[in-house]
Amino acid sequence: KAGVTQTPRYLIKTRGQQVTLSCSPISGHRSVSWYQQTPGQGLQFLFEYFSETQRNKGNFPGRFSGRQFSNSRSEMNVSTLELGDSALYLCASMVAGSTDTQYFGPGTRLTVL
Amino acid sequence: AQSVAQPEDQVNVAEGNPLTVKCTYSVSGNPYLFWYVQYPNRGLQFLLKYITGDNLVKGSYGFEAEFNKSQTSFHLKKPSALVSDSALYFCAVRDPNRDDKIIFGKGTRLHILP
Repeated sequence: KAGVTQTPRYLIKTRGQQVTLSCSPISGHRSVSWYQQTPGQGLQFLFEYFSETQRNKGNFPGRFSGRQFSNSRSEMNVSTLELGDSALYLCASMVAGSTDTQYFGPGTRLTVL
Repeated sequence: AQSVAQPEDQVNVAEGNPLTVKCTYSVSGNPYLFWYVQYPNRGLQFLLKYITGDNLVKGSYGFEAEFNKSQTSFHLKKPSALVSDSALYFCAVRDPNRDDKIIFGKGTRLHILP
């Protein structure tokens, strides 16, 4: 079974631009979560989608948004990029419920110049 | 507010010795607890989880963890460390009775010395 895939793997943008990251979950998984990982803040939860609905949301500004499609694939969008948005963005999928194991993708390394 | 703490930024252990990576948590009810490992330039890999039942949980690569409700801890252990265990380890907690968000600790870097 294929794992979680994320595209692109690396991205360089400049301040003020916007970016869209993509995540394809493991086949059969209906929940997709996004995390931001930085050296200073560690792993921070962004949001979780389940069956095309946002089920949970972290404490990030409205510039961070996401969506999930009917095939469970998910996208994350960051508008008006700031230098502090430079991070590794990780996507994780799981079957459905809270007791399930999350499986992580390799991440997208975003650098904002 | 729910939280999870990994009190040690780094742990050094000689190969062959037992290792412990500490994790304590603070949630209002009965938590779900997880351990993940991250190798350089890779995403997180699941090691083990505690949902309910036996307090001693066995996971991947010979790791185990013990859920201690009175001490609100979930320490990760391995009887004999390997150099290949060197990585960044994350403890995570989920409170299904509250907002059900998963909260990660800051991570502990484990160095196994040959």
